[in-house]
Amino acid sequence: GESVGLHLPTLSVQEGDNSIINCAYSNSASDYFIWYKQESGKGPQFIIDIRSNMDKRQGQRVTVLLNKTVKHLSLQIAATQPGDSAVYFCAENSGGSNYKLTFGKGTLLTVNP
Amino acid sequence: DTGVSQNPRHKITKRGQNVTFRCDPISEHNRLYWYRQTLGQGPEFLTYFQNEAQLEKSRLLSDRFSAERPKGSFSTLEIQRTEQGDSAMYLCASSSSDGLSSEQYFGPGTRLTVT
Repeated sequence: GESVGLHLPTLSVQEGDNSIINCAYSNSASDYFIWYKQESGKGPQFIIDIRSNMDKRQGQRVTVLLNKTVKHLSLQIAATQPGDSAVYFCAENSGGSNYKLTFGKGTLLTVNP
Repeated sequence: DTGVSQNPRHKITKRGQNVTFRCDPISEHNRLYWYRQTLGQGPEFLTYFQNEAQLEKSRLLSDRFSAERPKGSFSTLEIQRTEQGDSAMYLCASSSSDGLSSEQYFGPGTRLTVT
């Protein structure tokens, strides 16, 4: 069935480096994508979103890139900090309705001091 | 704190018992969602309310599960005759349907353990 998945389950980086987390999606009808950060014992925290009419969106230290041709989404974190250590999920809307989200499996980001 | 809140944060129950969880969304949000998350997985959609109307239910939501949002504000999720497979984190999220902003804000979750 339709699914959202991540290429790498874990990513380890040095403090100050840039991090890139990748995500592949399979539902070509999806038009809204979100990245969430989830720390242990907490609910997912919204980071940044992007709609399918865009290919790039920037926030504070984060950038999301969307490549609709290959159905690929990435999250770039600049100058990664220890506080960025968490599991990162990409999510897509289902059915073009902008309400029901389908989440990928997640990537564990570990930032080494 | 004006974010999404959930109670209780943890619940341990014996198999066969009924449990009820509560979610209080961000006050101006008219959309409310329930998700379930098991260890190592992303959240899975369960159901969705717009105001007091339950507009969609996942096939994951068996007959033992029921959700309500009677006044369009807080919501409850009840699981009857709990099974060990119901052990998971139950997450609530809310969003606004105004404008183009539709990001869902999640609560801290209720962790259910069925023994």
